[in-house]
Amino acid sequence: EAAVTQSPRNKVAVTGGKVTLSCNQTNNHNNMYWYRQDTGHGLRLIHYSYGAGSTEKGDIPDGYKASRPSQENFSLILELATPSQTSVYFCASGDFFQNTLYFGAGTRLSVL
Amino acid sequence: AQSVTQPDARVTVSEGASLQLRCKYSYFGTPYLFWYVQYPRQGLQLLLKYYPGDPVVQGVNGFEAEFSKSNSSFHLRKASVHWSDWAVYFCAVSDRGSALGRLHFGAGTQLIVIP
Repeated sequence: EAAVTQSPRNKVAVTGGKVTLSCNQTNNHNNMYWYRQDTGHGLRLIHYSYGAGSTEKGDIPDGYKASRPSQENFSLILELATPSQTSVYFCASGDFFQNTLYFGAGTRLSVL
Repeated sequence: AQSVTQPDARVTVSEGASLQLRCKYSYFGTPYLFWYVQYPRQGLQLLLKYYPGDPVVQGVNGFEAEFSKSNSSFHLRKASVHWSDWAVYFCAVSDRGSALGRLHFGAGTQLIVIP
């Protein structure tokens, strides 16, 4: 079974602070994604990656950076966190052959 | 642009009753469509996926969905709902002909199961 692990599971940050959300997958999937989930919007794509060293902008990239230093790890970085970035963030990895995304359990971020 | 609309934010059904969750998509061409489920305090899991072909696709746990090009719909169905089906269900469309394109999700439908 594919495994995607996110850390931390919960985070409280202050406005203007830097936040890093981490994601690790042990499935050797090339593709990884960061989504945020907000009531009424479903999941919206922030950044994604096709492999180590690559990052691509999704639908709502403003205020976020991403980093893919290795096949296994994909981070989402909020350089200057704002209250509007309070949300639940999901990381996912993609299995090309099964055409399936595998999601982590999510990180609940509150920016005060 | 591709998009998905789930018109029902919440659906309540009695345990043992049948279920239909609605999904309407907007896509130029033949879409690849998906249903994902999110159980409480968990990430999303794939229920089923549609590729061009048979319009009725079977998923896990007795779920199925029917693709209709004329109606631009991909409704999810289950013949007999169980209490463990209480979850949020998301419909999604891929913009590049596979799940590894960019998935566009609907807002989700909360399914509530009453005994």
